[in-house]
Amino acid sequence: DGGITQSPKYLFRKEGQNVTLSCEQNLNHDAMYWYRQDPGQGLRLIYYSQIVNDFQKGDIAEGYSVSREKKESFPLTVTSAQKNPTAFYLCASSRDSRNTEAFFGQGTRLTVV
Amino acid sequence: RKEVEQDPGPFNVPEGATVAFNCTYSNSASQSFFWYRQDCRKEPKLLMSVYSSGNEDGRFTAQLNRASQYISLLIRDSKLSDSATYLCVVSGGGGYNKLIFGAGTRLAVHP
Repeated sequence: DGGITQSPKYLFRKEGQNVTLSCEQNLNHDAMYWYRQDPGQGLRLIYYSQIVNDFQKGDIAEGYSVSREKKESFPLTVTSAQKNPTAFYLCASSRDSRNTEAFFGQGTRLTVV
Repeated sequence: RKEVEQDPGPFNVPEGATVAFNCTYSNSASQSFFWYRQDCRKEPKLLMSVYSSGNEDGRFTAQLNRASQYISLLIRDSKLSDSATYLCVVSGGGGYNKLIFGAGTRLAVHP
């Protein structure tokens, strides 16, 4: 089945730890995105990538890092510098950079313990 | 001012009602517009794209007014299964395809 897969579904992090969230797509999409959603709030853009080996900061990039070494993969690292990382993280992809609709993975719920 | 603003909600309506959601966007150069639906604790899913001429998909009608930078979604004959949060999404506007999401409007349809 074609789609976008995030793992893990639930993740617990201790204070001071870095964690990496996986996002893989087999849709042959060029563009990929990471969003964060807090309870009762909208999606906020963390990072986006229009093509392999290129990515741009979104509105709330501080404390996060990404890489785009392969077209199908766009992992997000939540570093210890992110002071309030507990949230629902959503990865999305779209066909290209010409304003096409995005498809989402099922999300990762990160909790700091 | 937020880049994409939506009606605050929640909207509580009986089954069979017609309900309308509004959305405004700030970037006049925006090129693509969408409505997404998000169920509780799930990922957003595309409901429909919004075209300049307006478009309809069954009970759902979307309208775009570029001059006023305004998008709407009309749901006719509401069903219990329509209960969800509806997200207005705008993209484009120079350079990268950056999708900007509104905060969403929650709809609760009751018997």
